Amino acid sequence: GENVEQHPSTLSVQEGDSAVIKCTYSDSASNYFPWYKQELGKRPQLIIDIRSNVGEKKDQRIAVTLNKTAKHFSLHITETQPEDSAVYFCAAMYSGGGADGLTFGKGTHLIIQP
Amino acid sequence: DTEVTQTPKHLVMGMTNKKSLKCEQHMGHRAMYWYKQKAKKPPELMFVYSYEKLSINESVPSRFSPECPNSSLLNLHLHALQPEDSALYLCASSQILAGYEQYFGPGTRLTVT
Repeated sequence: GENVEQHPSTLSVQEGDSAVIKCTYSDSASNYFPWYKQELGKRPQLIIDIRSNVGEKKDQRIAVTLNKTAKHFSLHITETQPEDSAVYFCAAMYSGGGADGLTFGKGTHLIIQP
Repeated sequence: DTEVTQTPKHLVMGMTNKKSLKCEQHMGHRAMYWYKQKAKKPPELMFVYSYEKLSINESVPSRFSPECPNSSLLNLHLHALQPEDSALYLCASSQILAGYEQYFGPGTRLTVT
């Protein structure tokens, strides 16, 4: 089955600086890579995703890059703000047109220092 | 309606009780999922329903019994649980053929005493 490694487990950055979280996956068949943000006591919320036919995707301050050859993908958050503080999970999945479950990384606790 | 809803929000049950968790979505999604999340851990997949049929069971103990009565509803029936089953139970849904995005409900916080 799929295995997703995520680093770092905790990341502390100054407000306004950039944050980068990295993930690697094991199954070369995986073709969908979402990122979820989970605040304490709340549901995971999809913030950005990327499919294997794309190398990079950007949405305002958030971007994701994918390197299929190396089997790793990264989340980039620029101009960090206090409300970015949360746990971020990467995930991977193979979707061949059916319904499949996500395999998550262990999460990164992002702390934005004022 | 772009939300997945879950009831109850909190549930405390004894090891001999029988209870059910409920999940509902009205986005026309034909795939629904149960995940279990322990504190400070990622969600772990339990079950996947596709077109109201169970398609994936991640070797979950039989004390957890899923049910999908129609395309909008997903239940998780609980019986003879153990204290280690205490966790946040998350429901999610997605389209099947037109997209992969999974949207999560707020979860049910389960405590087994």
